[in-house]
Amino acid sequence: DSGVTQTPKHLITATGQRVTLRCSPRSGDLSVYWYQQSLDQGLQFLIQYYNGEERAKGNILERFSAQQFPDLHSELNLSSLELGDSALYFCASSVASGDDYEQYFGPGTRLTVT
Amino acid sequence: TQLLEQSPQFLSIQEGENLTVYCNSSSVFSSLQWYRQEPGEGPVLLVTVVTGGEVKKLKRLTFQFGDARKDSSLHITAAQPGDTGLYLCAGASIQGAQKLVFGQGTRLTINP
Repeated sequence: DSGVTQTPKHLITATGQRVTLRCSPRSGDLSVYWYQQSLDQGLQFLIQYYNGEERAKGNILERFSAQQFPDLHSELNLSSLELGDSALYFCASSVASGDDYEQYFGPGTRLTVT
Repeated sequence: TQLLEQSPQFLSIQEGENLTVYCNSSSVFSSLQWYRQEPGEGPVLLVTVVTGGEVKKLKRLTFQFGDARKDSSLHITAAQPGDTGLYLCAGASIQGAQKLVFGQGTRLTINP
C-alpha cells in the first residue's frame, strides 16, 4: 500500500459525459501528479500540482482539467468524453517538487467510455 | 522530446534463468527510476539511481545507471514466478521539470 488513495476504482460512462476522479496523496506529500495509461500509449504524464498550484503540464487535453485543494487532495475532471479516453488514470504523490522525484502511485481509476 | 525505449517489450523465461532489461535514451536524465506494476494496480517504485555509473542491488535485482546518465539496465538473477509483472523505467529531466518520462515497459513472465 503506497498510501495514495484514488476513487472510484472503476467508472463506466457514456461519450459526451463528464467525470471527476479523486486522489488523496500520502500524508505529508505536497505534490500530486496525474498520469494516463492506455494500452497503446503507455504511461503519460498529464499534470502536476504542488501545494495547491499547478507546477507542470504534460500531454493534457483541453477537455481535461485538474485542481489541488487546501487539504492537498486533487481532482481530475474529464469532460466531453470520447471513446479514446478509456484508460487507467493514476495519481502519484511526492514529498516535494524539486529534487525529490520519488513518486508513489495510487491504485488507479479504470475509466471505460462506451 | 525526451524518450525512453525499453527492450525487450516482452520476455518469457523459465524459473531460475537470468535476464536483463534495458532502458535507453538519447537524452540525459538527472535520475532514473524503476517501477514494477502488476495488473490492476499502480506502479510500485523499486529503486532510484542518480549518479552516472551507479549500481544498486535489491536482493536478486541489480540496477545500473549508465555513465552518461542516458541509459539503465535491470538484471534479475535466478528469476522466480513472483517476479512476473510489467517493469517500467522513468527518467527525470535535467532541466528540473517536474514530470517523469516513462518507457513503454517490459512485460516479464516467469514460468514455473
